[in-house]
Amino acid sequence: DTGVSQNPRHKITKRGQNVTFRCDPISEHNRLYWYRQTLGQGPEFLTYFQNEAQLEKSRLLSDRFSAERPKGSFSTLEIQRTEQGDSAMYLCASSLFGGLAEILTWDEQFFGPGTRLTVL
Amino acid sequence: GQNIDQPTEMTATEGAIVQINCTYQTSGFNGLFWYQQHAGEAPTFLSYNVLDGLEEKGRFSSFLSRSKGYSYLLLKELQMKDSASYLCAVAQSGYALNFGKGTSLLVTP
Repeated sequence: DTGVSQNPRHKITKRGQNVTFRCDPISEHNRLYWYRQTLGQGPEFLTYFQNEAQLEKSRLLSDRFSAERPKGSFSTLEIQRTEQGDSAMYLCASSLFGGLAEILTWDEQFFGPGTRLTVL
Repeated sequence: GQNIDQPTEMTATEGAIVQINCTYQTSGFNGLFWYQQHAGEAPTFLSYNVLDGLEEKGRFSSFLSRSKGYSYLLLKELQMKDSASYLCAVAQSGYALNFGKGTSLLVTP
């Protein structure tokens, strides 16, 4: 297994265009997370899936953003009508969650290399 | 609301010990993580604490006090390759990570 992969690695688009990013998690990982990171800041949580179910979305997530994980494997993140403020690194992470004692289960997230979006 | 604070920058000498502090106020708590991030790269996992106390892992140790909302990452025998950003993150009830802004550590010869 080569880890979490993301495509494309870089995307330059014009304001108002739609973009879609793809994340392939580590195989058999049931959880998949999307984060956004801008320069000098820590990653900011956007949304996450357990298998194909989207369990949580950040309140900061605009309705221009939508994510899917149709078969519980890869995921896509789409941004419609991009704005210059959307310029950021979009990080995907996956984890294998679950255990006999859930309270002691820790959810180590493995991050992909990210997709750097530049909106002109 | 979520509030995670850590120093913006730190400098230390090769071979020395450095402690990076993190304080947090969050509405849910499922553990505290430390990640390392080199410039232009993805974060990589360093440590996890959910119970109070010290977790040691080679040159890296992490401490947690839940009652004080406080953690620190201790790096021993610093190497030049340890120059990176160190991110403190708290896992909420749904395990989504809330990250601090990161501490940029510069290791000098």
